[in-house]
Amino acid sequence: KQEVTQIPAALSVPEGENLVLNCSFTDSAIYNLQWFRQDPGKGLTSLLLIQSSQREQTSGRLNASLDKSSGRSTLYIAASQPGDSATYLCAVSGRDDKIIFGKGTRLHILP
Amino acid sequence: DAGVIQSPRHEVTEMGQEVTLRCKPISGHNSLFWYRQTMMRGLELLIYFNNNVPIDDSGMPEDRFSAKMPNASFSTLKIQPSEPRDSAVYFCASSTRTAYGYTFGSGTRLTVV
Repeated sequence: KQEVTQIPAALSVPEGENLVLNCSFTDSAIYNLQWFRQDPGKGLTSLLLIQSSQREQTSGRLNASLDKSSGRSTLYIAASQPGDSATYLCAVSGRDDKIIFGKGTRLHILP
Repeated sequence: DAGVIQSPRHEVTEMGQEVTLRCKPISGHNSLFWYRQTMMRGLELLIYFNNNVPIDDSGMPEDRFSAKMPNASFSTLKIQPSEPRDSAVYFCASSTRTAYGYTFGSGTRLTVV
């Protein structure tokens, strides 16, 4: 059974710093991995999607990497801003078409 | 495209009442998923459909929960009778294929008193 773990559960960093969020999964037989952002009381916004054959994806200040063999992904945020404060969720999908989520990392950027 | 549309956005109901949540997936998407989110358990997959057919409902908590997808553009999640522990945010998501990721609706916040 696929399990997704995100560490840390919460993180506070000063504005302007670079940071890394971690995601690990137990079954490496995945089709893709997706990072989402969720603001309080809101829905999920897709940030980056990495196919199983890819190693990384970039969008603006965000870079996500995938190491399928070790069951790990990282989300790198460069030059953090207060507007980046949110919960970041990692999700993996496999052959059975299910998408399994981690519990997220609550990020707070200090002005 | 308007994205995945869920209704209502908020629902407050009394224990024992029937609750129906609705979802309209993105046109052309052939997979639809219902999730429940709580602080304690995070996002849990309840059920998913492929081409309107339920594929896996192992996440449905108990018989009080049921879901239907009568056509490619509409799905419902029904709770009857509702209980306070059902209070959560319920999300619907759709996808064309697993390889292309998922799009989520804005969710329905359900409160059962």
